[in-house]
Amino acid sequence: GESVGLHLPTLSVQEGDNSIINCAYSNSASDYFIWYKQESGKGPQFIIDIRSNMDKRQGQRVTVLLNKTVKHLSLQIAATQPGDSAVYFCAENIIGNQFYFGTGTSLTVIP
Amino acid sequence: SQTIHQWPATLVQPVGSPLSLECTVEGTSNPNLYWYRQAAGRGLQLLFYSVGIGQISSEVPQNLSASRPQDRQFILSSKKLLLSDSGFYLCAWSQDRINQPQHFGDGTRLSIL
Repeated sequence: GESVGLHLPTLSVQEGDNSIINCAYSNSASDYFIWYKQESGKGPQFIIDIRSNMDKRQGQRVTVLLNKTVKHLSLQIAATQPGDSAVYFCAENIIGNQFYFGTGTSLTVIP
Repeated sequence: SQTIHQWPATLVQPVGSPLSLECTVEGTSNPNLYWYRQAAGRGLQLLFYSVGIGQISSEVPQNLSASRPQDRQFILSSKKLLLSDSGFYLCAWSQDRINQPQHFGDGTRLSIL
């Protein structure tokens, strides 16, 4: 499944499928981006980050892609598991170590 | 490894009462510290940040204040709570370098009655 960031705040995928969560950012001068996972009642958890001199970065089961031309960021989760169910949001660095945080996409994994 | 502690996890307070939320970080020195409020369905709103002891920057005018009495301690306070102060408050820290991720505590759910 694929979401279009703020315009589609929910995403449901079957367990084992890949998930793609998208984020559009606003500032072409932003040079650092982060993806967070937030489970209900908990604080956001850092997943992966990427600097603007990169187009792609991979972690364990996750990949972040950055398209600076269209100011678009995506998070790909491979072989989605029930424990991946959470709200995912992106953050763009705006100045210093201050960030603008998106409202997020709610991912539900169907067993 | 670094850890961040935030307490209490939940708090119910009457309108007009004072507030003190505490956040401490372990395993690092001279961190940048942040207080955020998260409203349901909305992004994180930065309230205060601090780059050192006694150094507080406020992002929005409000009924709240922050203090940093020690290097790894950050406190969010209010003298008289308003109904509009209800929300989910998050503390975060980052390394004092550019392009560093912020790491969050588990938040305090504050309800004002």
